[in-house]
Amino acid sequence: EIVLTQSPGTLSLSPGERATLSCRASQSVTNSYLAWYQQKPGQTPRLLIYDASSRATDIPDRFSGSGSGTDFTLTISRMEPEDFAVYYCQQFGSSKWTFGQGTKVEIK
Amino acid sequence: QVRLVESGGGVVQPGRSLRLSCAASGFSFSNYDMHWVRQAPGKGLEWVAIISYDGSNKYYADFVKGRFTISRDNSKNTLFLQMNSLRAEDTAVFYCTKGYGSYYFDDWGQGTLVTVSS
Repeated sequence: EIVLTQSPGTLSLSPGERATLSCRASQSVTNSYLAWYQQKPGQTPRLLIYDASSRATDIPDRFSGSGSGTDFTLTISRMEPEDFAVYYCQQFGSSKWTFGQGTKVEIK
Repeated sequence: QVRLVESGGGVVQPGRSLRLSCAASGFSFSNYDMHWVRQAPGKGLEWVAIISYDGSNKYYADFVKGRFTISRDNSKNTLFLQMNSLRAEDTAVFYCTKGYGSYYFDDWGQGTLVTVSS
């Protein structure tokens, strides 16, 4: 089973700043089947990015994903007030789906 | 629009069983793979199981170890999770989620809380 490790655990930023979130896999992720989700308190997760770099429907272009193999990055170019949340990466491989432990992006 | 409504959660003693249901509407249920994902209180997301659109394929997370069974009734647009031999560490909100392609999740229900405690 592939283990995903996200860093940092918590990221403190001000609105307007750039956010860079990392997701590292214990083995190469098959065909870059990697996604990013946003979860706000009391809400269900929302798909942001799939296939490592494709934005999901209605996701603003300030969200971008990159990476391949074992190293993936979610970038939020300029933090908006509504972007402060927990972000999870997720991968598929060998008929198993796994999530990272999450990165909390909080207001500085 | 897509609606997923889970039910069946509650407080159960260790070693007992519980059956979760998820009623789906607003999309062609029989065309989509469906998953269960859980989230322990204050913790991260953990995938539990998947069932293919026609019920012919099922896969489980390693921690399930034969205790859980996923199933579906396409005639009733309903997804199920039979959970046996429950443990304290199974305490979580269980979400049903609709597959996005073969590899991701898009729509989620609001979840049902399962608490395993004596």
